Amino acid sequence: AQKVTQAQTEISVVEKEDVTLDCVYETRDTTYYLFWYKQPPSGELVFLIRRNSFDEQNEISGRYSWNFQKSTSSFNFTITASQVVDSAVYFCALSERGDSSYKLIFGSGTRLLVRP
Amino acid sequence: NAGVMQNPRHLVRRRGQEARLRCSPMKGHSHVYWYRQLPEEGLKFMVYLQKENIIDESGMPKERFSAEFPKEGPSILRIQQVVRGDSAAYFCASSPGLDTDTQYFGPGTRLTVL
Repeated sequence: AQKVTQAQTEISVVEKEDVTLDCVYETRDTTYYLFWYKQPPSGELVFLIRRNSFDEQNEISGRYSWNFQKSTSSFNFTITASQVVDSAVYFCALSERGDSSYKLIFGSGTRLLVRP
Repeated sequence: NAGVMQNPRHLVRRRGQEARLRCSPMKGHSHVYWYRQLPEEGLKFMVYLQKENIIDESGMPKERFSAEFPKEGPSILRIQQVVRGDSAAYFCASSPGLDTDTQYFGPGTRLTVL
């Protein structure tokens, strides 16, 4: 069965520190998509990235970077030089190609607090 | 280009009343998903709809909950005879179709049942 685990419930860092949010997934499908979403205190969900299972190349977008490793079923998210505005709950999610509805399976989220 | 719109943003109901949550997908999107987020938890899939069709309702409670996406107008999530346990944030997401798997979320409706 598919499952997404975000073992870190809450992380607190001081501004300018680097922080890595862990995501481990389980799936029997060979074709799947992985996502990260950000939920700031205002409550909306903001799409950050989508990665398909055939593309293990790491991605960098400004201060954000993602490390996808199929061998360990992990899709970790690193924020470099964190800022107070990064404070939010971050969700990792999985969508399987073999699932006709392509529904998202979410992890329980990691709450990141960046202190000034 | 407007994003996914949901209304109302906040809804308060007393036990036993009905709650109607509306979702207008992004322009050009014909696929709608509903998710529920209980306090301090992640999002859980409820239902997936295309215009006039329910495709997957495996996450919907068997009773009191229903969803529709008519040919014209927004998608509606309807909860009859609400109970306190229905208090949650309900999010709608839309996508253009199966070839593009990214779902874009609306701001959510926070339902409080007194």
